[in-house]
Amino acid sequence: DGGITQSPKYLFRKEGQNVTLSCEQNLNHDAMYWYRQDPGQGLRLIYYSQIVNDFQKGDIAEGYSVSREKKESFPLTVTSAQKNPTAFYLCASSVLQGSTEAFFGQGTRLTVV
Amino acid sequence: AQSVAQPEDQVNVAEGNPLTVKCTYSVSGNPYLFWYVQYPNRGLQFLLKYITGDNLVKGSYGFEAEFNKSQTSFHLKKPSALVSDSALYFCAVRDLGAGSYQLTFGKGTKLSVIP
Repeated sequence: DGGITQSPKYLFRKEGQNVTLSCEQNLNHDAMYWYRQDPGQGLRLIYYSQIVNDFQKGDIAEGYSVSREKKESFPLTVTSAQKNPTAFYLCASSVLQGSTEAFFGQGTRLTVV
Repeated sequence: AQSVAQPEDQVNVAEGNPLTVKCTYSVSGNPYLFWYVQYPNRGLQFLLKYITGDNLVKGSYGFEAEFNKSQTSFHLKKPSALVSDSALYFCAVRDLGAGSYQLTFGKGTKLSVIP
């Protein structure tokens, strides 16, 4: 089955800890994205990548880091510098063509305890 | 910079009635416009898109959307709402004139279809 897999589905983190969210796709897409979703705020772009070993900051990159060592993988690390990390995180991918839609994973819900 | 506005946080409609979910956009060049639907605790599912050509585009589950360049709008419509259409709907825009493939989303509209 082709698609995007995010893991884990639920994640609990203690304050002050870094945590890494996994995103893997087997769609052979060049572009990958990370969004954060909070109630009433829609989806806000954290980072995106259009090619391996290259990525750009989105609107709310502070306190987050990413890597793109393989085309299939785009992990997101939520660092201790992120002041309010509790949210629903969505990963997406698309081909590098403006007319094509992005495909989304099922999301990871991160809760700081 | 590209942006999307969904002016209604919530839309309520009776089952069987037509529904409209509104979206307006702002881009520097020609827009590529998308609608997605999200069910609770799930990812987003693609519904339909406007690229070029006919201003009325048809998508999944009986949804359609009308592109209006002069009003910079891309409203989502369905002739007869179903209870199962109740979900969160997002409009998104991609502006290649901005030089990237970044997708910008609106804040979402919660659709409730009342039996």
